[in-house]
Amino acid sequence: DQQVKQNSPSLSVQEGRISILNCDYTNSMFDYFLWYKKYPAEGPTFLISISSIKDKNEDGRFTVFLNKSAKHLSLHIVPSQPGDSAVYFCAASASLLTNTGNQFYFGTGTSLTVIP
Amino acid sequence: DAGITQSPRHKVTETGTPVTLRCHQTENHRYMYWYRQDPGHGLRLIHYSYGVKDTDKGEVSDGYSVSRSKTEDFLLTLESATSSQTSVYFCAIRDSNQPQHFGDGTRLSIL
Repeated sequence: DQQVKQNSPSLSVQEGRISILNCDYTNSMFDYFLWYKKYPAEGPTFLISISSIKDKNEDGRFTVFLNKSAKHLSLHIVPSQPGDSAVYFCAASASLLTNTGNQFYFGTGTSLTVIP
Repeated sequence: DAGITQSPRHKVTETGTPVTLRCHQTENHRYMYWYRQDPGHGLRLIHYSYGVKDTDKGEVSDGYSVSRSKTEDFLLTLESATSSQTSVYFCAIRDSNQPQHFGDGTRLSIL
């Protein structure tokens, strides 16, 4: 059973506009959330994270929003650039404070295409 | 780039043969992970390690075993490969309270 869901397999956006990628989770124990970006033939690259004590985290053009009551997070990219075209994965984990390394659960990914 | 090397990068083998994939890190990170990526499933955790000789199962561990005899190496073994194990395999490493960093993957085809 998928605990982290990305219901949009693909998204196309014009260059300069906002890209909004969505992610839903089912496990209320999750308290740490991440977004990764993946280009073909490469491994995922960490983009941005947020802990459950916050509802927003911003890093340059990238902002992640967390709505705990809805079990929903989103990644906003403003402005979108052609180099942002990639597959984006959201991931979730239940606490970083254990000794066993934590299991991270990933969504199925959203393929973003930014059209020049 | 985090110092992670996966080998081999590509492998084609036959059903029933044993296969070992290697993940090597130069970062001295405590935690190491093996994932597989399949269409429609995203990344799924196979096994992970939280120290030398300390490993645990992930959500899709059946048919796989791992070993970590040194901090820098985490091996994934398919004892008897099956066609359902055709996939792209990613290794990740993590330091305490930090996000995971991934290798570039191993594309494994089992015929």
